[in-house]
Order: sequence, then structure tokens, then C-alpha cells
Amino acid sequence: EVQLVQSGAEVKKPGESLKISCKGSGYSFSNYWIGWVRQMPGKGLEWLGIIYPGDSDTRYSPSFQGQVTISADKSISTAYLQWSSLKASDTAMYYCARHVEAYNYYYYYYMDVWGKGTTVTVFS
Amino acid sequence: SYELTQPPSVSVSPGQTASITCSGDKLGDKFACWYQQKPGQSPVLVIYQHTKRPSGIPERFSGSNSGNTATLTISGTQAMDEADYYCQAWDSSTVIFGGGTKLTVL
Repeated sequence: EVQLVQSGAEVKKPGESLKISCKGSGYSFSNYWIGWVRQMPGKGLEWLGIIYPGDSDTRYSPSFQGQVTISADKSISTAYLQWSSLKASDTAMYYCARHVEAYNYYYYYYMDVWGKGTTVTVFS
Repeated sequence: SYELTQPPSVSVSPGQTASITCSGDKLGDKFACWYQQKPGQSPVLVIYQHTKRPSGIPERFSGSNSGNTATLTISGTQAMDEADYYCQAWDSSTVIFGGGTKLTVL
């Protein structure tokens, strides 16, 4: 069974750093893009970016470029999302999701497997 | 930047057909997909590449597209289908989500 298991809930203060994780199993982790999606309380889905664990090729949403860092360690089938200095506005649920790369005249992506989410709460 | 527009809410009676639209410039060329999210749960892919259903998704879920609009149709809607639905497309190396539609079954 394909699964993405995310790390537990975090409570942090503004200015602190944080790294959350997402471990894949049941498939070849290196050969699928994996990415992160934010959902602020009561709001919709926002895409942060993706990484290809096989070669660490990374792409970010323009809205989140420079705000977060996405990385992966293919040796332990784990992807990461990290912040160097959290803000209260980072308070949200963060989902990791396996991205399927498809091609029909051009490449496009959709998410077929999702983790259960990691709640990040930032307050002073 | 590219935008996808969904109605904030749709209501349907049990057993009837629900249609949720997603509009965007030349969306028909972008292979839209749809996710269902129930309260407190992760999103689930219900339609991809405009019309395809992943395994395990009931046949009552179907997708279509025409020009600038993709449509998710739920035939014979059940109470368990009450959820938020999000469309998604890929544009300029970025995933774009619609704002989401709350489907109420009443």
C-alpha cells in the first residue's frame, strides 16, 4: 500500500525554525515528485512546491519562493519542509502529496496520494 | 497569474445530480483534476485528466471539460458526498487550485 506518513503536530514561537517530514512507503520514492500543500484554518488549498527525490530537482510556487525550503533524503524515503524563521501567519495544516507527472503535449502534475497532514501552530 | 474560479457553494438533494464548475482561461488545454475533502480529512483525488477516475472512486463521480470550463458531476448524490471540492490545474510550472466549492446535500 502506498503511504505518506507525516511528522506530528508542532507548536512554535515566532522567529523559531522548524523542519517537518513526510516518509513515503509502498512505492519507488526516488521516481515520483513529492510536494507540499498548505491549508490555513478554514481556508482553501495552496501549493508550496515539489521536489524530485531522484535528483533533488525542486520547484517552488512564486508565492512561497524564499519563504520555505523543500528537501528530500532518498536514502530514507523522506521529504522535508522547513522554515528558518516562523511567523504567526505560517499557522496552518501542511500536507505532503505524491505528484504524478503526466504528458500530453506538455508535462502536467496531479496529486494521487496525500499524507494526513501536520498541524503547525505559531504563537507567542 | 493563472486563476481558477469555482462557486463557493452548491446544494443538492439526495439522489439528484450535483454539478460543480471550474473556470479558467483555456482550461480545456490544461488537464484539470478534482479533489474531495471532508472535514478533518486529507484531500482525495476523484478525477484526473479532466475525465478519468482513480481506482476506488465510485462511478457516480465524472468529469468533463469544454473550452474554459471543467465540470465535476456527481450522479445520484449521497449524503457521504457532502464535502469541499477543489479543482486543480498546472500552469507555468506551478500547481493552481480553485478556491473550493462546499457541496451540501440536503
